[in-house]
Order: sequence, then structure tokens, then C-alpha cells
Amino acid sequence: GESVGLHLPTLSVQEGDNSIINCAYSNSASDYFIWYKQESGKGPQFIIDIRSNMDKRQGQRVTVLLNKTVKHLSLQIAATQPGDSAVYFCAENMRSGAGSYQLTFGKGTKLSVIP
Amino acid sequence: EPEVTQTPSHQVTQMGQEVILRCVPISNHLYFYWYRQILGQKVEFLVSFYNNEISEKSEIFDDQFSVERPDGSNFTLKIRSTKLEDSAMYFCASNYLAYGYTFGSGTRLTVV
Repeated sequence: GESVGLHLPTLSVQEGDNSIINCAYSNSASDYFIWYKQESGKGPQFIIDIRSNMDKRQGQRVTVLLNKTVKHLSLQIAATQPGDSAVYFCAENMRSGAGSYQLTFGKGTKLSVIP
Repeated sequence: EPEVTQTPSHQVTQMGQEVILRCVPISNHLYFYWYRQILGQKVEFLVSFYNNEISEKSEIFDDQFSVERPDGSNFTLKIRSTKLEDSAMYFCASNYLAYGYTFGSGTRLTVV
């Protein structure tokens, strides 16, 4: 089964409002989580990350919250702008049995900002 | 800011042909990866590479796929005999300590 998934496939918000994008993960051993933004035709662009020893991390206009009890991750974007329109993926950095790491991505949430 | 560079940006190939996708990871990074994204779907892990060998591969990465770091700067993905279902965006990524991944802009592979 899928280790990382998203609750909502699409999200529309008014410009200036705050956006919240959610993600669920299933591997309690994962120790590092990343949010990526992907614009059409481009590669995943790093937004913010968080390690499992933290509950919250803030960046510029973005905040990531990690709730390990319910295995939930969220991305909050303050004062959403038209340039924030994109698909947002959460990704879980998992250690494999061989000792290496790999990212497991969720399906993505498409954020549309209404001017 | 350092970038991961991928070439070509778009490759069209006939079914059954071999393709080589090229990547130049960030110079001091130690871990290298290939991911793919079929149109409209999530990004999927293909393979990780460290210390000149494959460290992990997914079930997608079958005998038709291979990776190589031929010269200390390039990292290539070869598909020996392409199939229609290989059509996807292929992303190269690298990092230094298995954290802080940097992705390239991708190669769009179209198999006709």
C-alpha cells in the first residue's frame, strides 16, 4: 500500500487567504519529511522540511506541522499569492532495509489561487 | 545556487529504441537518484546510487534500466528497449547526506 497520501486532490483559495494542505503517512519510522511545489513542466521544488524530532517549522510564509501521534503532516501557506498556484507534494524520507534512503511521494494537491 | 542539470529536456523515441537520459548532479553530492512521474500521477522512486553502485532500486527498475556514473560528473539513466509505458517525466536528484534532495527540471520522455 501507499505510505504517503493526501486528503484532498484540489484546493481553491482566494488570493490573500491562508492555505492548508494536508498529508497522511503510515510509516512511523520515517524521520524526515519534505514539502515540494511542482509547477507545470518543472521538477519538484523544495519548500520546507521537518525532522521527526520537531512538531513545527516555519519558513518564509510557510509553516509545516508534524503530528506524529496521528501520522499527519500539513503545509500552511500564509497570504496565498497567484504564484503559489501549483501541485504540492509531501514526501517521506524512508530508510530501506539495505540502509539507503529514498523519498516516497504522495499523490499531490493542486492549489489554485483565485485572484 | 547549485543546480542539478538534466538533458535533454524532451526526448521522443520509437518503441524498442534505447535512450540515455543525462544528469549532472551537484558537484559535492554523494547520493544520486532517478525518479519518474507519469503524467498526472505522483513521483515514483526508481533507483538510488552511492559510491559507484546501486544502493536501492524499485520494482519499476527492471532489467531494461541501468544507471552509470561514467566520469565523476555525469549520472545517466539508460532504458535499453523503450516501451510505450515508459513515457513519463524523469527526474534526477542528488544530495550530500541522504537529506536535502535537489531535483533537476526533468526530461520528458515520449515513446511513440
